[in-house]
Amino acid sequence: DTEVTQTPKHLVMGMTNKKSLKCEQHMGHRAMYWYKQKAKKPPELMFVYSYEKLSINESVPSRFSPECPNSSLLNLHLHALQPEDSALYLCASSQELASPSTYEQYFGPGTRLTVT
Amino acid sequence: QQPVQSPQAVILREGEDAVINCSSSKALYSVHWYRQKHGEAPVFLMILLKGGEQKGHDKISASFNEKKQQSSLYLTASQLSYSGTYFCGTEMNAGGTSYGKLTFGQGTILTVHP
Repeated sequence: DTEVTQTPKHLVMGMTNKKSLKCEQHMGHRAMYWYKQKAKKPPELMFVYSYEKLSINESVPSRFSPECPNSSLLNLHLHALQPEDSALYLCASSQELASPSTYEQYFGPGTRLTVT
Repeated sequence: QQPVQSPQAVILREGEDAVINCSSSKALYSVHWYRQKHGEAPVFLMILLKGGEQKGHDKISASFNEKKQQSSLYLTASQLSYSGTYFCGTEMNAGGTSYGKLTFGQGTILTVHP
């Protein structure tokens, strides 16, 4: 099973709402990633977890709060978002976090978020 | 720092070949290639490492010129299924706070017509 699943597929939220995005993989991968992708742009790294610990935070605003409750699950908690946060949020996983980066990343289908 | 891809877009007929380039102004430790079809997740194609090691699909080839900090993806005998946006992801630092981090280029849109 080489699948990364994400829920929900679509999310519309107001600027005062609190919501969460969920990502799951059962490949035994120990590195998990959140990316943000705007239309016709490349994925931009937001967070990386390695062995359930936050390894990289790309100076993401605190209204985005990641959580890795176990090795298979990754959540992204959203609060007080702005309309400019509307984007496709992609989750990915890889066998491990390594440098040089020798492991391919498996991406989920993404959650399309609209902030109104 | 974001790598630069060229060309920005390319249109082919089935069976034609294409080359997509990815350049960086900084030393590269690894280059990843992904393809993303419209409305779908990026899919892994290839990893090239400093020192010459490669990992990826049999039908796709790529090169990594460490001196020029450049990688090229070669698509030969293109098929309709090759259509999509191709991204290179580069790792520019070994270790430190950017351990294992990839920065993606702006993408190259490849369209293959029958």
